[in-house]
Amino acid sequence: IAGITQAPTSQILAAGRRMTLRCTQDMRHNAMYWYRQDLGLGLRLIHYSNTAGTTGKGEVPDGYSVSRANTDDFPLTLASAVPSQTSVYFCASMETSGTPADTQYFGPGTRLTVL
Amino acid sequence: GQNIDQPTEMTATEGAIVQINCTYQTSGFNGLFWYQQHAGEAPTFLSYNVLDGLEEKGRFSSFLSRSKGYSYLLLKELQMKDSASYLCAVIDSNYQLIWGAGTKLIIKP
Repeated sequence: IAGITQAPTSQILAAGRRMTLRCTQDMRHNAMYWYRQDLGLGLRLIHYSNTAGTTGKGEVPDGYSVSRANTDDFPLTLASAVPSQTSVYFCASMETSGTPADTQYFGPGTRLTVL
Repeated sequence: GQNIDQPTEMTATEGAIVQINCTYQTSGFNGLFWYQQHAGEAPTFLSYNVLDGLEEKGRFSSFLSRSKGYSYLLLKELQMKDSASYLCAVIDSNYQLIWGAGTKLIIKP
């Protein structure tokens, strides 16, 4: 593994089903993030984690949950999927060294369609 | 509220120069990023500005004016592969990234 990986690459899901999007990074970054990207709206933060064992809510957290049991993994769960959750989901990580120059690195994305 | 504005779409000619503007209103400021995103791919880092002035990196340059809440990305000697969306993002007082909706740049031969 090099960088950030996400799985699955794409998924079609029936409304009401539970789904977990996986994200793994091998850079030992402290912070991890989940975004959704919809046409014309840019990237919107769903949840974030500044360090293993802690999580926080972003701009659009409703309907999503996350966990951060260790440094490398940051799964995103949709408990009961709805069509409005159709989107492209990006996971990102960042080494928070305390300087504003830290850069977010992105995974390749998961394209999710909820029918 | 926090807000970042960029033009939705711009068109330019191969070999020319294009400037993509970004204005922001955020709760605090700890730096501004520009990212490039090709269709169907993840965003990739282009530049970072925290002090006023111009940062040059090859064909790409980024400018910041903190007093005006303004930045631009300048792309020179445009190539067809520069066709992409360009995202402006600001780090706010909580060290969270606030993203603009992106500018889709179309390069014509």
